[in-house]
Amino acid sequence: AQSVSQHNHHVILSEAASLELGCNYSYGGTVNLFWYVQYPGQHLQLLLKYFSGDPLVKGIKGFEAEFIKSKFSFNLRKPSVQWSDTAEYFCAVTLSTGYSTLTFGKGTMLLVSP
Amino acid sequence: DGGITQSPKYLFRKEGQNVTLSCEQNLNHDAMYWYRQDPGQGLRLIYYSQIVNDFQKGDIAEGYSVSREKKESFPLTVTSAQKNPTAFYLCASSIGSGGQPQHFGDGTRLSIL
Repeated sequence: AQSVSQHNHHVILSEAASLELGCNYSYGGTVNLFWYVQYPGQHLQLLLKYFSGDPLVKGIKGFEAEFIKSKFSFNLRKPSVQWSDTAEYFCAVTLSTGYSTLTFGKGTMLLVSP
Repeated sequence: DGGITQSPKYLFRKEGQNVTLSCEQNLNHDAMYWYRQDPGQGLRLIYYSQIVNDFQKGDIAEGYSVSREKKESFPLTVTSAQKNPTAFYLCASSIGSGGQPQHFGDGTRLSIL
């Protein structure tokens, strides 16, 4: 069965700390990978995506993620977090060919203290 | 601005009642989705529709029903058969199939009185 695993349910950081959120997936086939973010009181929005090409992808607000095919991973990173990055982050995966729905991880709640 | 509108934002239901959640999009997207979000569980797919007049069950379809009579609209009915309906419901749409990014509405929070 297809699955997505996010390593941490809750992460607490101080401002300016570096961030890495883990995401591993179990899928048979070529995949498209996404990170979504849900700020408090706001709708889910796309942070970044990987379809093909350079495995290091850059998204909005200084976030980046690296696709490591051999490790089935797509970890999210940011060198220096801000208080405004407090949000819930979701990794999602789908097959890149044919019709496939998104499978989401359970989410990681990030709290950045000022 | 194009987007997805979910209404109402908050909804209360008495036990034994059916309730319908609205989802409208003006993005001209073919595919639409309904998810349920519970704390610590992420998003779980209830139903999805790739095209008008067609829809498929997702991972947790029991106790729910949908219709897709118009491209712009994908209402979700939570029936009395759904044993634990209290949750946050999210509607999404995408340009097509094949793993395209999904755009989400603001959600509807359903509570049982």
